[in-house]
Amino acid sequence: KNEVEQSPQNLTAQEGEFITINCSYSVGISALHWLQQHPGGGIVSLFMLSSGKKKHGRLIATINIQEKHSSLHITASHPRDSAVYICAVPRYSARQLTFGSGTQLTVLP
Amino acid sequence: SAVISQKPSRDICQRGTSLTIQCQVDSQVTMMFWYRQQPGQSLTLIATANQGSEATYESGFVIDKFPISRPNLTFSTLTVSNMSPEDSSIYLCSVGGVNTEAFFGQGTRLTVV
Repeated sequence: KNEVEQSPQNLTAQEGEFITINCSYSVGISALHWLQQHPGGGIVSLFMLSSGKKKHGRLIATINIQEKHSSLHITASHPRDSAVYICAVPRYSARQLTFGSGTQLTVLP
Repeated sequence: SAVISQKPSRDICQRGTSLTIQCQVDSQVTMMFWYRQQPGQSLTLIATANQGSEATYESGFVIDKFPISRPNLTFSTLTVSNMSPEDSSIYLCSVGGVNTEAFFGQGTRLTVV
C-alpha cells in the first residue's frame, strides 16, 4: 500500500463547478503539502497545512490529522485551473517528501 | 520563500550523450533535492545534495549515471550521463518540504532520441 493515496486519478469538470480532490496517508505526519504541476512541468506549492483549513482565493485545503485525510477544493473552477494536483507528506526519517500519484484536472469552458 | 531558476527548460538529446541541468536558488539552503518524473508517473527522488559532501543517492540511482555537484549553498547541477530513451523524463530540483514549504524549479523536460 502506498503511503500517500490520491483520488480521483483523473477529473473533468465544466467551468464553474466545485472540485474536490482527496488525499489519504498512512504515516504520522506533522504537515501535508498540496502542489500544482503545470503542463510544462513546473511545480508550484499551493498549501502546507498541519491542521484545520486554509484558503487562498478560490482554493481551500482541509486536513483531518486523526483520520489521516486531506482535501483540496476549488470553487468556481476555471479552465486555467487545469493542471495536475499532487499531495505530498514529509518522511522525517529520510528528510524528504513522499508524493501521491497526482490528479489530472481538466476544466472545460 | 525561495525562487529556483532551473535550466534548460527542455532539451532533445542523442542517445549516448550527457546533459547537465542547473538549479540556482535565490537564498542559501542546506539540502537540495533532485527528482525524476517519468511520463504519467509521480516524482521519484534521485538524490539529496548537501553542500560540502557527497550526494546521497536513492535506491536504483547511481553516481556514475547521475553525477551531482553542489559547489555552494545556492547552486547545484545534475548530469544525466550516457543517455538512453528510458531517461526521457522531467527532471526537477527542489528545496524545503520537511518542516517548511516546498519550492521547485521549473523542470527540465528531456527527450532522448
